[in-house]
Amino acid sequence: NAGVMQNPRHLVRRRGQEARLRCSPMKGHSHVYWYRQLPEEGLKFMVYLQKENIIDESGMPKERFSAEFPKEGPSILRIQQVVRGDSAAYFCASSRGLADSYEQYFGPGTRLTVT
Amino acid sequence: TQLLEQSPQFLSIQEGENLTVYCNSSSVFSSLQWYRQEPGEGPVLLVTVVTGGEVKKLKRLTFQFGDARKDSSLHITAAQPGDTGLYLCAGVQVNTGNQFYFGTGTSLTVIP
Repeated sequence: NAGVMQNPRHLVRRRGQEARLRCSPMKGHSHVYWYRQLPEEGLKFMVYLQKENIIDESGMPKERFSAEFPKEGPSILRIQQVVRGDSAAYFCASSRGLADSYEQYFGPGTRLTVT
Repeated sequence: TQLLEQSPQFLSIQEGENLTVYCNSSSVFSSLQWYRQEPGEGPVLLVTVVTGGEVKKLKRLTFQFGDARKDSSLHITAAQPGDTGLYLCAGVQVNTGNQFYFGTGTSLTVIP
């Protein structure tokens, strides 16, 4: 009964490169959330997706960031032309349904370091 | 502006002491969750409260949801070093069922 899986766990990118973060939800979960966490801070919502649909991306920066959750395969958070300020821990969580009805479970996170 | 404010932000206590962490908001939430996060790991769900005034117990941890569903508290009895971690509350606002809003976090250290 695997939990939420994220890879890679650690990712180092130079400024200007692209970062791709992957998230495989728990079995039976069709809803995925992405969050960003800076040191000593709580989690900030970025985007909420269902299979093949972006439901709420109000927390995503307008430029360079995108997310998808294809019919097959993991959810992907993509950051283009990374800058030092993108260095953070990125977590995904999955649930069976809408946030107000179903609990969400977190993956171990991807620590992105931009040099 | 933070939707959910937690207090205290940092807490260092001796093993065996009791403590309470607060999670406050001016908004009403349809549900509220508490998580514990250890360094280098993702948050782990401890409890979900959904009814105003609800009290849930998990061994030495007692969680309460305010009557108006705007606030919550976490009380730990006889804290142990294994309780050390970052405690986060998170809530879903009424009628906006898409997002979880996370609190600012309380970093707890229990000294043996």
